[in-house]
Amino acid sequence: EIVLTQSPATLSLSPGERATLSCRASQSVDNYLAWYQQKPGQAPRLLIYDTSNRATGIPARFSGSGSGTDFSLTISSLEPEDFAVYFCQQRSYWPPTFGPGTKVDI
Amino acid sequence: QVQLVESGGGVVQPGRSLRLSCGASGFTFNENNMHWVRQAPGKGLEWVAVISSDGSNKYYGDSVKGRFTISRDNSKNTLYLQMNSLTTEDTAVYYCARDPLTIVVPAFFDYWGQGALVTVSS
Repeated sequence: EIVLTQSPATLSLSPGERATLSCRASQSVDNYLAWYQQKPGQAPRLLIYDTSNRATGIPARFSGSGSGTDFSLTISSLEPEDFAVYFCQQRSYWPPTFGPGTKVDI
Repeated sequence: QVQLVESGGGVVQPGRSLRLSCGASGFTFNENNMHWVRQAPGKGLEWVAVISSDGSNKYYGDSVKGRFTISRDNSKNTLYLQMNSLTTEDTAVYYCARDPLTIVVPAFFDYWGQGALVTVSS
């Protein structure tokens, strides 16, 4: 199965700063990569699908890029509600797999 | 608005069975493939199973194959997960999730339920 690696494990930033999260796949997943946000005690929330498409209702400060094996999620200016854990997920091969997550904290 | 509500979680002994349900509303349930995804306490996410919109196709993750069965009742807008021969490794929050694609391929998940906690312990 495809293994996804996320870096860094933890990103410590302040509100207003730019966050760049990375996700690397063990082999090419084309552009079939999604990003989710999860807050404590809540379900994951879809942010980005197929590398760069924002899901319904997701603010423009969230953007995704990349292709093949290397992908990024960028939050252009952190809002207080953005401090959470972010997971990447590939849908190029069965089974769909997730990365271990990056925690963005203050 | 789309709502997915899981139920049926709880504490169960190793080797026993449990059935989870997921009630759906706010969309045309019989048009979407549906998935189960789980998350062990403090851990990452693991895809468990998918069922096609009409129930004719099902796929499972290796860790649950042969023990878990996914099913759906489109007349009741409900998704199920029958879990047999449970082990402590199955302890997790189980989420049902909607698949926005129209064919059964590896998907992303656009809506999630709030999750049901399953604890397998003697």
